[in-house]
Amino acid sequence: QKEVEQNSGPLSVPEGAIASLNCTYSDRGSQSFFWYRQYSGKSPELIMFIYSNGDKEDGRFTAQLNKASQYVSLLIRDSQPSDSATYLCAVNENTGNQFYFGTGTSLTVIP
Amino acid sequence: DTEVTQTPKHLVMGMTNKKSLKCEQHMGHRAMYWYKQKAKKPPELMFVYSYEKLSINESVPSRFSPECPNSSLLNLHLHALQPEDSALYLCASSQDASSLYEQYFGPGTRLTVT
Repeated sequence: QKEVEQNSGPLSVPEGAIASLNCTYSDRGSQSFFWYRQYSGKSPELIMFIYSNGDKEDGRFTAQLNKASQYVSLLIRDSQPSDSATYLCAVNENTGNQFYFGTGTSLTVIP
Repeated sequence: DTEVTQTPKHLVMGMTNKKSLKCEQHMGHRAMYWYKQKAKKPPELMFVYSYEKLSINESVPSRFSPECPNSSLLNLHLHALQPEDSALYLCASSQDASSLYEQYFGPGTRLTVT
């Protein structure tokens, strides 16, 4: 049974702070890792993907991957109220393009 | 352009109706997906098409019938649905059905079964 776990939150941070979202996964064969943002009533929107251990930065977002510890995280710097959404972690195991989604973390950025 | 389109945006249907959901992408992607999402839950995979062939069916009831007429189009035919089938139905596509590629989601169809 492949599992992807996220803290459901809600996570609240003040505007301008760093929001840290975490995700763990059970399948050591997982190859690729994705973060999606989903606003209420809307569809998931791809923010970042990461394949290799270490950090990957894109603007205010940094994805961090540690395959040995089987976790992937998303840091959002200078958080804005518009970042308030549910963040979904998705993990793609190595035998096909089947995503396993975590249950999502609800983030609220307080002005 | 990373756009996946879906029609209709909203659909209300009775349990005896037959309707279809449509999805289209023009990114040259060769893998397309149907997901079902209930409120406050993550998307659940229903079907995967790879190079226009059905490659994954996640034990979905036969009242849901997928069709891939060509590499850009994906349909989901609905018949004799139940109220518990009410959900957001999401289409997604990716470059191909390997483990590396990201999936792009369409805006979804909000389905209500009465």
